[in-house]
Amino acid sequence: DTGVSQDPRHKITKRGQNVTFRCDPISEHNRLYWYRQTLGQGPEFLTYFQNEAQLEKSRLLSDRFSAERPKGSFSTLEIQRTEQGDSAMYLCASTGDRGAYEQYFGPGTRLTVT
Amino acid sequence: QKEVEQNSGPLSVPEGAIASLNCTYSDRGSQSFFWYRQYSGKSPELIMSIYSNGDKEDGRFTAQLNKASQYVSLLIRDSQPSDSATYLCAVIPASKIIFGSGTRLSIRP
Repeated sequence: DTGVSQDPRHKITKRGQNVTFRCDPISEHNRLYWYRQTLGQGPEFLTYFQNEAQLEKSRLLSDRFSAERPKGSFSTLEIQRTEQGDSAMYLCASTGDRGAYEQYFGPGTRLTVT
Repeated sequence: QKEVEQNSGPLSVPEGAIASLNCTYSDRGSQSFFWYRQYSGKSPELIMSIYSNGDKEDGRFTAQLNKASQYVSLLIRDSQPSDSATYLCAVIPASKIIFGSGTRLSIRP
């Protein structure tokens, strides 16, 4: 399978715990995006990388959120001290230099904070 | 005003008819426009992109763009039950993509 993959697909955690999600983009894609989606809403932009450089972060991304893409391949998104409001689907998407921002999404990680 | 606006629906269309989905956007400088389909519990799937004024056809799908009116639409011909999903309009005004909240489409037999 050469699409975008995400791991884990589901995560249930208790409030206050830290969680980390992983995204593996399409191999030739150098841009990688993280989004959060809640029920009835479209995906909300969180951050994006071009290769290993994090070029933009949303104001929605509090200090509890951090993302990395150390070698310009896979990326991780960590949420520290989770809150119930963090419960959402976390989506990763990738795109190449060509294709004018046509983004291809992974299956998502559904986070439930209890 | 939201950056990308869509009617949330549900839009109910009989099987075999044309479904028409609409989207307006606020940033006049936007250059890239997309339609994504999202089935319940799944991630968005890109179905159309359009960059120039006018129509772009791909199979049963036609995207229409009118930059002067800041309006994008998606037509689905010969609607099938498998077209029942939420359709997300997305726009790139600068470096990142902005999604609308989506229109829920239901194709009734």
